[in-house]
Amino acid sequence: KQEVTQIPAALSVPEGENLVLNCSFTDSAIYNLQWFRQDPGKGLTSLLLIQSSQREQTSGRLNASLDKSSGRSTLYIAASQPGDSATYLCAVRRRRGGYNKLIFGAGTRLAVHP
Amino acid sequence: SAVISQKPSRDICQRGTSLTIQCQVDSQVTMMFWYRQQPGQSLTLIATANQGSEATYESGFVIDKFPISRPNLTFSTLTVSNMSPEDSSIYLCSVMTGTLGYEQYFGPGTRLTVT
Repeated sequence: KQEVTQIPAALSVPEGENLVLNCSFTDSAIYNLQWFRQDPGKGLTSLLLIQSSQREQTSGRLNASLDKSSGRSTLYIAASQPGDSATYLCAVRRRRGGYNKLIFGAGTRLAVHP
Repeated sequence: SAVISQKPSRDICQRGTSLTIQCQVDSQVTMMFWYRQQPGQSLTLIATANQGSEATYESGFVIDKFPISRPNLTFSTLTVSNMSPEDSSIYLCSVMTGTLGYEQYFGPGTRLTVT
C-alpha cells in the first residue's frame, strides 16, 4: 500500500529564506509525482509535475526533485515571500493497478512572515 | 491545463437535507473525480465519475450517500445526501488530462457546513 509522508508538518520562516519541503513515499512504482499549493479554504493549484523518468522540474522560484529509488521528493522554494504562505501538498500517482489514483500526503503548512 | 468551476462555492445546510454540487470543465476530459477534505485533513478520494456509466466508489463511500452523475465529458454533479455535521468538509472536483503525462487539476472547492 502506497503511503506518502511530508515533513515538516508546519514551518514558519522570515521572508527571504530558501526552503526545502520533503516528501517520501513507500512504493517506488509510481507514474509521476505532483506538488500542489492550497490556500486556506480553497482548491489546489498544481505547481510542478515530475514524471517517473525525470529527476527535477523547475518553475520560477520553485524546484522539485525526484529520487524514485529512495522514495523521496523535495520542493525547494528560493527567496521566500509572504505570498508563498499556504499548505503544500505532495501526491504520487501509482503505476500498479491503473493510473487513476493520486495518493496525497498530509501537507506542509508554510508561513512566511515579513 | 484545465479550468474547473464549481457551484456553489459554499453552503450552510441543515441536518437531514441534501446538497448537489456542480462541476464544469472548460474542455472534454475522460477522467473526473470527486474528493473530500475534512477540516485540518488531507484529501480523500470519494469516487471516479464515469461518463455514461455508474461512478466507481472508494472504500468507505457508497452511492446512496454520494450519488454522482456524469452526463457528458465536461460536467458532473455530486450529491451529499441526508447530511449530518460529519459531512462538513470541502468537496473538490478534479480532472486528469493525458496530454501532459497525466497531470491532475482541481476546482476551487465547495465548502459545506452542516448544522
